[in-house]
Amino acid sequence: ELKVEQNPLFLSMQEGKNYTIYCNYSTTSDRLYWYRQDPGKSLESLFVLLSNGAVKQEGRLMASLDTKARLSTLHITAAVHDLSATYFCAGGLGDSGYALNFGKGTSLLVTP
Amino acid sequence: EAQVTQNPRYLITVTGKKLTVTCSQNMNHEYMSWYRQDPGLGLRQIYYSMNVEVTDKGDVPEGYKVSRKEKRNFPLILESPSPNQTSLYFCASRGLGTVSYEQYFGPGTRLTVT
Repeated sequence: ELKVEQNPLFLSMQEGKNYTIYCNYSTTSDRLYWYRQDPGKSLESLFVLLSNGAVKQEGRLMASLDTKARLSTLHITAAVHDLSATYFCAGGLGDSGYALNFGKGTSLLVTP
Repeated sequence: EAQVTQNPRYLITVTGKKLTVTCSQNMNHEYMSWYRQDPGLGLRQIYYSMNVEVTDKGDVPEGYKVSRKEKRNFPLILESPSPNQTSLYFCASRGLGTVSYEQYFGPGTRLTVT
């Protein structure tokens, strides 16, 4: 079974600062997903990482994947209030593993 | 517009009263699934379907049923709801063998069982 652990689970940061959310997973995962969820809303896809060394960036967010370390990171650069949300990472397993195993989420609050 | 729709969005019901939450996608996706989201637990998969008439259990299937008679629809059935099924439910879909592996989520159904 693929287990996914995120840390931290709660993060309060000031606007303009940088920070990283970590996502560790227990077994080989073919792909790693990052989602954003605003309160009471659905999940918005941010990144899908498919191979070792993959790096994707969108605005102030950058995600990377190290399959050897079984680690993905979501780096936030110069945070702004609009980035306040809950961020989930999820791993997908193998050919039949269309199911996603989610981490518990990181609740991010960006304050002035 | 590519989308996954769910109905109803909000539902309050009583213990034991059968209910169905509908899910429909317009992207001709083969794979569909249901998740429940509970505070502190993240999302957990309930059931999934690889194609019409092909369904299987996820991590937390007890108390739920599904059917896949048409490719676009994947309803979630609670035959005898109980308070521990109070949760936020999401339907999701994706194509098989899609290069991007992108998975699309519906807007969610908030269910309260009293």
